[in-house]
Amino acid sequence: DVQMTQSPSSLSASVGDRVTITCRASQNIREYLNWYQQKPGKAPKVVIYGASNLQSGVPSRFSGSGYGTDFALTISSLQPDDFATYFCQQIYTPPCTFGQGTTVEIK
Amino acid sequence: EVLLVESGGGLAQPGGSLRLSCTASGFSFSLYWMHWVRQAPGKGLEWVSRIKEGGSDISYAESVKGRFIISRDNAKNTLYLQMNSLRVDDTGIYYCVNAPTWMWGQGTQVTVSS
Repeated sequence: DVQMTQSPSSLSASVGDRVTITCRASQNIREYLNWYQQKPGKAPKVVIYGASNLQSGVPSRFSGSGYGTDFALTISSLQPDDFATYFCQQIYTPPCTFGQGTTVEIK
Repeated sequence: EVLLVESGGGLAQPGGSLRLSCTASGFSFSLYWMHWVRQAPGKGLEWVSRIKEGGSDISYAESVKGRFIISRDNAKNTLYLQMNSLRVDDTGIYYCVNAPTWMWGQGTQVTVSS
């Protein structure tokens, strides 16, 4: 199985900060990596698909990068609506494993 | 608008069964892979299973293999998850997910307890 190691597990940041979350795959998954945002009591929603493609309707302050085993989700200027938990998921091969999640909290 | 609505969750006893449904609308259901993902209370996301458009390619997480069965009825735009031999650690919210749009339903709660 492909293991997804996501870091950090949590971070505190202020509005306007630049935030980066990383995800490392235990084997080459090419560009088959999605990023999701989840708020309490809600279903996750995709923000980045295919490692670097911005989902329609998602603000352009979100960006994704990486290929192979190392990936990153960056929020260029954190906004109040961005405080949430973020998960990466590899969709290269089943089981389509998730990272452990990163909770972005208000400093 | 893509819409996925899960149903069929509830309370089951250990060793019991439940069948979840996911009714899709707003897209050509028969052309898309579909997944089930679950989330235990206060925990992260766990991928459960996926099924190809026509149902010919199916995969499961090791934790549910031999107990859960994924299926679909393209004529009814509906995805299913038959859950047998339920365990306490199957408790959680179950979501259906459409690929490759990666849209999620709102989820259905499954509680396994005696």
